[in-house]
Amino acid sequence: GDSVTQMEGPVTLSEEAFLTINCTYTATGYPSLFWYVQYPGEGLQLLLKATKADDKGSNKGFEATYRKETTSFHLEKGSVQVSDSAVYFCALNPTDSWGKFQFGAGTQVVVTP
Amino acid sequence: EAGVAQSPRYKIIEKRQSVAFWCNPISGHATLYWYQQILGQGPKLLIQFQNNGVVDDSQLPKDRFSAERLKGVDSTLKIQPAKLEDSAVYLCASSPGTLTGQETQYFGPGTRLLVL
Repeated sequence: GDSVTQMEGPVTLSEEAFLTINCTYTATGYPSLFWYVQYPGEGLQLLLKATKADDKGSNKGFEATYRKETTSFHLEKGSVQVSDSAVYFCALNPTDSWGKFQFGAGTQVVVTP
Repeated sequence: EAGVAQSPRYKIIEKRQSVAFWCNPISGHATLYWYQQILGQGPKLLIQFQNNGVVDDSQLPKDRFSAERLKGVDSTLKIQPAKLEDSAVYLCASSPGTLTGQETQYFGPGTRLLVL
């Protein structure tokens, strides 16, 4: 079945450091790929998405590129802030059972001043 | 535009009691989802509605969980009787319902349930 694997956390960084969170997936066809962010005590917020191979999603300084050849959708940000501290989830929307999102386990990011 | 609304935000009950959660999706969204998020894990889909019909409830523990969306708008998720392992955050999400794989799901703030 479809699945998402993302790197374990917590990832601890200093402010202005470079952030990478790895995400790989297993799916048939060409799923849409998403990154959601969850702040403490809140629901999930869409961060960015990509719907086809080689698409790059971007938002608030975060970027991720849909790599079909490596089945990956790694999240990057060039200079993190304390306010980026949160849990980040990679997810896919399968092509053969739309809406049935598969989420990774989440990666906690802690940014220190 | 108002987001997905959920209530209550927190609930503490004892095992074997019943509990109900309410969700109001974004206006005009045809598809509504309920997820269970156990601490330290990603959300797991429990049930998916398209308007007032069930699309997928394969992961809903039907012996104790039930959900309805009678008028195709608001939805209620019920647990009866609750078990300790039901302690989790219950997230509601909605999407426009265009029946494509490119849709974004929009999440509510969730209801935190603690079963003692």
